[in-house]
Amino acid sequence: EPEVTQTPSHQVTQMGQEVILRCVPISNHLYFYWYRQILGQKVEFLVSFYNNEISEKSEIFDDQFSVERPDGSNFTLKIRSTKLEDSAMYFCASSLNFRTNYGYTFGSGTRLTVV
Amino acid sequence: DQQVKQNSPSLSVQEGRISILNCDYTNSMFDYFLWYKKYPAEGPTFLISISSIKDKNEDGRFTVFLNKSAKHLSLHIVPSQPGDSAVYFCAASADYGGSQGNLIFGKGTKLSVKP
Repeated sequence: EPEVTQTPSHQVTQMGQEVILRCVPISNHLYFYWYRQILGQKVEFLVSFYNNEISEKSEIFDDQFSVERPDGSNFTLKIRSTKLEDSAMYFCASSLNFRTNYGYTFGSGTRLTVV
Repeated sequence: DQQVKQNSPSLSVQEGRISILNCDYTNSMFDYFLWYKKYPAEGPTFLISISSIKDKNEDGRFTVFLNKSAKHLSLHIVPSQPGDSAVYFCAASADYGGSQGNLIFGKGTKLSVKP
């Protein structure tokens, strides 16, 4: 069964450093998303991406965040200058259609720890 | 501002009995609802969805009920199995100006099914 792959599974970084979280969505999917879950809290929407541009972003997704689909297969989330409060589980997701009946397919996540 | 609420953080059920997980929402623009299951160290896995034009959707042991007037939905698992033990997230989305269908999640309910 096709799956969304995320690397690394765990990233530890120093406050102020840049991090890039990588995702390989399902190959024929067209819509891509990043969500995050701070420990003990709910899963929160960060950004959606379609047709090589951001289609929607939340208040969390400020100027420190950016996304890119550099080569047609990878989908990356960059945090320019990490803060302690960026520590969370980051999930990438993809879907074939907008408003699919089958939900989005999520990756296993990258645990980001900012120290 | 919790638009999607799962008021029970945990639920314990005996194997073979029914599990009922509840979810309330506040945004009347939501028109699509999904349930996800999540095991530790994995991403959310899509279980079942329902459109607002329906009041029930069934898939094997899983049934979702939607009561639009009460802004309430529930997930029934019958019969419950130990492998169903996981955190269950309710999610909702809306198709209106500015929203590309991103998911708003509840905080989750941890289901424990005891043998």
